[in-house]
Amino acid sequence: AQKVTQAQTEISVVEKEDVTLDCVYETRDTTYYLFWYKQPPSGELVFLIRRNSFDEQNEISGRYSWNFQKSTSSFNFTITASQVVDSAVYFCALSEGYYGGSQGNLIFGKGTKLSVKP
Amino acid sequence: KAGVTQTPRYLIKTRGQQVTLSCSPISGHRSVSWYQQTPGQGLQFLFEYFSETQRNKGNFPGRFSGRQFSNSRSEMNVSTLELGDSALYLCASSLYGRFYEQYFGPGTRLTVT
Repeated sequence: AQKVTQAQTEISVVEKEDVTLDCVYETRDTTYYLFWYKQPPSGELVFLIRRNSFDEQNEISGRYSWNFQKSTSSFNFTITASQVVDSAVYFCALSEGYYGGSQGNLIFGKGTKLSVKP
Repeated sequence: KAGVTQTPRYLIKTRGQQVTLSCSPISGHRSVSWYQQTPGQGLQFLFEYFSETQRNKGNFPGRFSGRQFSNSRSEMNVSTLELGDSALYLCASSLYGRFYEQYFGPGTRLTVT
């Protein structure tokens, strides 16, 4: 069965610190997708990244980077030089499925609340 | 480009009543997915519609239903409301579906008393 675990419920850092949000997943499928979403205090979820199970390349986008390791079933998210505007709840999600397919649930982790203090 | 809009933003209903929530996706998006967010259960997938067809449904009772119109607008209906249905209901639109990038609306906050 699918499962996404974000063990860190809350993290508090001081501005300019680096912070890593952990995500561990469980799936029996060989084809799946992993996502990170950000939910700022305003409430709207914002898409950050999508990664398919066949692409283990790490990705960097500005101050954000993602480390995908199939061997440990982890998809961790690092914010470098954090800023107050990074304060939000971050969700990791897993979807089993395939291109063009319609089956497969989308499971979210419980989220990690990140507070960045000035 | 206008974002995803949801109406109403806030709603208070009584147990046993029914409610209909509306979602207008981003223009050109054919996929609309619905999610329930509660403090206890977190974010849970309700269902997805693509070109007026329900593609998949999460693990929710039959009281939760939805539909999508030809203009891609979607409605979600909850009948015989229970206290546990109090939640933030989020709608997301996507070009290709929930396996791809989704754009979320601000949500409808439903309170059942």
